[in-house]
Amino acid sequence: TQLLEQSPQFLSIQEGENLTVYCNSSSVFSSLQWYRQEPGEGPVLLVTVVTGGEVKKLKRLTFQFGDARKDSSLHITAAQPGDTGLYLCAGYRGSTLGRLYFGRGTQLTVWP
Amino acid sequence: NAGVMQNPRHLVRRRGQEARLRCSPMKGHSHVYWYRQLPEEGLKFMVYLQKENIIDESGMPKERFSAEFPKEGPSILRIQQVVRGDSAAYFCASSPPSMVNTEAFFGQGTRLTVV
Repeated sequence: TQLLEQSPQFLSIQEGENLTVYCNSSSVFSSLQWYRQEPGEGPVLLVTVVTGGEVKKLKRLTFQFGDARKDSSLHITAAQPGDTGLYLCAGYRGSTLGRLYFGRGTQLTVWP
Repeated sequence: NAGVMQNPRHLVRRRGQEARLRCSPMKGHSHVYWYRQLPEEGLKFMVYLQKENIIDESGMPKERFSAEFPKEGPSILRIQQVVRGDSAAYFCASSPPSMVNTEAFFGQGTRLTVV
């Protein structure tokens, strides 16, 4: 069973549209990370959220950590073809040191 | 500041051979982690190491797999007598002592193909 469930698994949209990706769990996480992975490459860290209710903005990307620290969302405004990639959420649990738990990812394709 | 360096990027091994995957962490990072990514699956934790110490190897198969992070040199993930099911992308990540359980930075991975 997957500790972090991401939805949707696939997302195909037109340039200029907005989208939201969700990352949910029944477990509490001490921090959550969002990564983006291109084919043949390693995950690249986009953001870390630590505090329940925290919202972070990175240009057109908005990340939110749920109040109870069990879920997170990634919202992209006015998507561009360059946003295409695999988006992964991952988190640390306080009970295990150093171990990241990953969701299966959301494959985003943005068409021109 | 160079990122996490992994080599080789691609490795092909015949069944029964040994595979050695290397990882040099970012400068100043003394904590190293190995993850495996199978097709259609997310990244799965394998092992967490500090210099000369294995902190958590609970995600690593008990047989044929071993990992080390010596005082000098890169971390090594070793797979003995490889089987087809070992074909996957293996990623190394590192973090500084102050960022354990907060952030980890990943290398580009080694794609292992067992033929």
